[in-house]
Amino acid sequence: QVQLVESGGAVVQPGRSLRLSCAASGFTFSNYDIHWVRQAPGKGLEWVAAISFDGTEKFYVDSVKGRFSISRDNSKNTLYLEMSSLRAEDTALYYCAKGALTRMVAPNWFDSWGQGTLVTVSS
Amino acid sequence: DIVMTQSPLSLPVTPGEPASISCRSSQSLLFSNGYKYLNWYLQKPGQSPQLLIYLGSNRASGVPDRFSGSISGRDFILQISRVEAEDVGVYYCMQALQPPFTFGGGTKVEIK
Repeated sequence: QVQLVESGGAVVQPGRSLRLSCAASGFTFSNYDIHWVRQAPGKGLEWVAAISFDGTEKFYVDSVKGRFSISRDNSKNTLYLEMSSLRAEDTALYYCAKGALTRMVAPNWFDSWGQGTLVTVSS
Repeated sequence: DIVMTQSPLSLPVTPGEPASISCRSSQSLLFSNGYKYLNWYLQKPGQSPQLLIYLGSNRASGVPDRFSGSISGRDFILQISRVEAEDVGVYYCMQALQPPFTFGGGTKVEIK
């Protein structure tokens, strides 16, 4: 069965950097676009970034453009999110989510989610 | 960006009774293939979101048939024919037509 396991969350100071990982199994990772979605404590869901199946296309929400970078290593079935210049408002549970359709960032939908990894930005 | 407006914010329900959640998109979610890319997710307490409905009206695998989705233009409805205790949580609509993908604000369903 599909499994997505996020890791790398931590407590970091504002302005610092952090890298999140999402290890995938149970499906052909290299065929699917993958997304990051975050949820601030007690708040709703916010889509953050997406990467195409082959890593050639990347998309970001405006609030993280220039600070976050999404990437993937298909040989390791792993997705990454490099976060820099972190702000208090980046504090959230970060989920990775798998696109349901092969080789298509959009239009699409998410059919599997990980359990999330918590990032806390605080001095 | 496409704005998703969801209502109500909170929905107290009685087990066995029907429930309905609305979602409106600021732009059409219609793709050239004739489908509208509106999805519904349920986030149960302490869990990750799970897919309920995709393309506005298609139930995801394993989703009970008491859940249904309907479409009318830019308006989307999620209906639960007879609410069960396990249906509590926060329901989100999401447009996945184009990035940035956007979610509605969520509807918290709780048992009366």
